[in-house]
Amino acid sequence: SQQGEEDPQALSIQEGENATMNCSYKTSINNLQWYRQNSGRGLVHLILIRSNEREKHSGRLRVTLDTSKKSSSLLITASRAADTASYFCAAQGGATNKLIFGTGTLLAVQP
Amino acid sequence: ETGVTQSPTHLIKTRGQQVTLRCSSQSGHNTVSWYQQALGQGPQFIFQYYREEENGRGNFPPRFSGLQFPNYSSELNVNALELDDSALYLCASSLGTGRNTEAFFGQGTRLTVV
Repeated sequence: SQQGEEDPQALSIQEGENATMNCSYKTSINNLQWYRQNSGRGLVHLILIRSNEREKHSGRLRVTLDTSKKSSSLLITASRAADTASYFCAAQGGATNKLIFGTGTLLAVQP
Repeated sequence: ETGVTQSPTHLIKTRGQQVTLRCSSQSGHNTVSWYQQALGQGPQFIFQYYREEENGRGNFPPRFSGLQFPNYSSELNVNALELDDSALYLCASSLGTGRNTEAFFGQGTRLTVV
């Protein structure tokens, strides 16, 4: 399977703590994207990091990319209960620029 | 809200039946991709339509077919439904297929095959 992997599969933290999720992928990419999904509904785009970038910030989100290791990480700082969701990384590349998703991390933030 | 609309939101079908799912892309977007997300898994690419032509296909059998209309809305058709087809079907619209193109997802259609 081309699907990437995410680690951990599940993460439970207290409000105010930081959450770190890791992603590994198998293909060559144009970019790596992170999405959030609430309760098995639609995917919300969080951030895109291009293959020539190493780190990117957006609000409380920090993403890193290491193309030599085919890995990325998502850090959510000062987490809130509303951050509770599943988080997916998606590698984008190839002729169609299709997204190859990871297996996801289920984040639970306890109030 | 992404501006991508999918219908219906939920659907129950019997094994062997056929189903059509619909997606209206975001205004101005000419590319629609469909994904299947089984419970507890990440979405898997089914196929993509660009300007009314199929522009790439994932590892899905021919009974999964699609269509894109001149207004860039799209349909996903699945024939001879199997129990394993039960999943959340997501469509994503984007502007073109260039590098670093952001895709906007609809809320999905949850299909249950019994």
